[in-house]
Amino acid sequence: GENVEQHPSTLSVQEGDSAVIKCTYSDSASNYFPWYKQELGKGPQLIIDIRSNVGEKKDQRIAVTLNKTAKHFSLHITETQPEDSAVYFCAASKADDKIIFGKGTRLHILP
Amino acid sequence: KAGVTQTPRYLIKTRGQQVTLSCSPISGHRSVSWYQQTPGQGLQFLFEYFSETQRNKGNFPGRFSGRQFSNSRSEMNVSTLELGDSALYLCASSLTWGGFYEQYFGPGTRLTVT
Repeated sequence: GENVEQHPSTLSVQEGDSAVIKCTYSDSASNYFPWYKQELGKGPQLIIDIRSNVGEKKDQRIAVTLNKTAKHFSLHITETQPEDSAVYFCAASKADDKIIFGKGTRLHILP
Repeated sequence: KAGVTQTPRYLIKTRGQQVTLSCSPISGHRSVSWYQQTPGQGLQFLFEYFSETQRNKGNFPGRFSGRQFSNSRSEMNVSTLELGDSALYLCASSLTWGGFYEQYFGPGTRLTVT
């Protein structure tokens, strides 16, 4: 079955700098890659997703890139702000199957 | 539009008891998935329901079961609780089933087993 590895497990960046979180997946048939942000005491919130027919997607300060050949995808957050501090999860799935999540990255934005 | 709601938000049970958790999906969403979240294991998939039928199942023992009603609301049940069942249980709703569609999570039910 699918396996998703996520790195790093913890990331600290200065406010205003960029943050990058990387994930790899094992099933070459996976074609949907969502990213979730989870704040303390809340459920995960979908922040951006990408499907295998595109290589990059942007939404304001957030971007996701996908390399299907290498089976890895990354989340990029630019101009980080204090409210970006949270746990971020990547995930991978394919049609008619369950979504498999990475173990998460705790992002700290330092003042 | 109201989000995914889960009840209760917090629950304390004793080993050996059983528990039922409830999830109401976003209006119009017909698929509900359940996940167990623990610090060590992250988000683990339990099962997914669509049109009152289980469509996908994770690797959990038979003590974990679920069902979905005709109005798309879903319940999950854990029988003979063990200490290791202490976790945050999340449900997520989606327009339809299968992993290719956006899932929206509820706030979770925090279960503590003593």
